[in-house]
Amino acid sequence: EAEVAQSPRYKITEKSQAVAFWCDPISGHATLYWYRQILGQGPELLVQFQDESVVDDSQLPKDRFSAERLKGVDSTLKIQPAELGDSAMYLCASSATSGSSNEQFFGPGTRLTVL
Amino acid sequence: KNQVEQSPQSLIILEGKNCTLQCNYTVSPFSNLRWYKQDTGRGPVSLTIMTFSENTKSNGRYTATLDADTKQSSLHITASQLSDSASYICVVTSRGNTGKLIFGQGTTLQVKP
Repeated sequence: EAEVAQSPRYKITEKSQAVAFWCDPISGHATLYWYRQILGQGPELLVQFQDESVVDDSQLPKDRFSAERLKGVDSTLKIQPAELGDSAMYLCASSATSGSSNEQFFGPGTRLTVL
Repeated sequence: KNQVEQSPQSLIILEGKNCTLQCNYTVSPFSNLRWYKQDTGRGPVSLTIMTFSENTKSNGRYTATLDADTKQSSLHITASQLSDSASYICVVTSRGNTGKLIFGQGTTLQVKP
């Protein structure tokens, strides 16, 4: 069964360092999402891609976060510099297209700890 | 403001017992409501999805209900198992091209032997 892949699964870094997360969506899925989930809360959308284009990055802290999906397939989320408050689970999801009827499939997430 | 509120925040039950989780939402325009199960350290996995015209949907021991008039949903788990221990997240999708998901904060369920 096709799955969303993410790496690394766990990342520990010191504050002020740079970190990067990678996501490979389900093959053929045009829409890709990055979410941040703080422990005990629901996921919060950071950025949404339609193919290689950003369609929603209104909640992305652009002073330190960046995301790209250069060829419209896999994607990278970067944080530079990391802060203590960035400790969270970073989830990637994909769907066949955008639109309210299309189910989003989530990857296993990357657990980030900033020391 | 589009919001999804879940209750209780956490729940502990004994194996074999039933339980019901609640979800209230204020999302408009409404497209659909999903219940996700999220195991610790994993991504959410969809259990059920209901559109405006559906008022119940089952997936094995999981049964979800939807009252679109009162904007309430519930997830009922029958004959709980230890593997049901997880967070259960209610997610409402607003109608439109972007299909933005509005997440509840989740209910953490612990099933004890």
